[in-house]
Amino acid sequence: EDQVTQSPEALRLQEGESSSLNCSYTVSGLRGLFWYRQDPGKGPEFLFTLYSAGEEKEKERLKATLTKKESFLHITAPKPEDSATYLCAVQAGHNTDKLIFGTGTRLQVFP
Amino acid sequence: NAGVTQTPKFQVLKTGQSMTLQCAQDMNHEYMSWYRQDPGMGLRLIHYSVGAGITDQGEVPNGYNVSRSTTEDFPLRLLSAAPSQTSVYFCASSYRRQGALGGYTFGSGTRLTVV
Repeated sequence: EDQVTQSPEALRLQEGESSSLNCSYTVSGLRGLFWYRQDPGKGPEFLFTLYSAGEEKEKERLKATLTKKESFLHITAPKPEDSATYLCAVQAGHNTDKLIFGTGTRLQVFP
Repeated sequence: NAGVTQTPKFQVLKTGQSMTLQCAQDMNHEYMSWYRQDPGMGLRLIHYSVGAGITDQGEVPNGYNVSRSTTEDFPLRLLSAAPSQTSVYFCASSYRRQGALGGYTFGSGTRLTVV
């Protein structure tokens, strides 16, 4: 069964304190792994797509990496405006019309 | 640049009532979908459509109907509301050719409470 697990469930950081969020997955024939950001009361906002092991993508203070079993979202020197829930999702090759989402990591960055 | 528009933003229903959640997009996206988001669970796919006149079931379709008469609109109908359908509902869209790889565009959600 295709599955996505994110950890930790919640993370509290001091401004400037770098850390990483984890997304582990089991899926038959990974076609893509996705990171989304979700602010309270809003819909998810697309951040990155990763296609194959070894790939990396960066956007401002965020860097996403991918291995054959997991992905990491590294946050370097976070700011309070980075506070949000970060969602990971995968798309399997056998059903490209469906994304399987994890439950998310709620990140709080304090000044 | 409206993107994906969902209405209403909030709704309270009594058990057994029916209603339609509206979703419209102005990006000419072929693919549209409905997800529900519940505490402690990931977003789960209810129904999706790859173009006008074509719909298919997702992971949790029971109790919901959809239709796609135009490219722009993809309404979700609750036939007889139940407390288990209390959730936040999101509509998402994308270009069909790239599927999800270019990222879905999500609406801002409809928070539904069934009492």
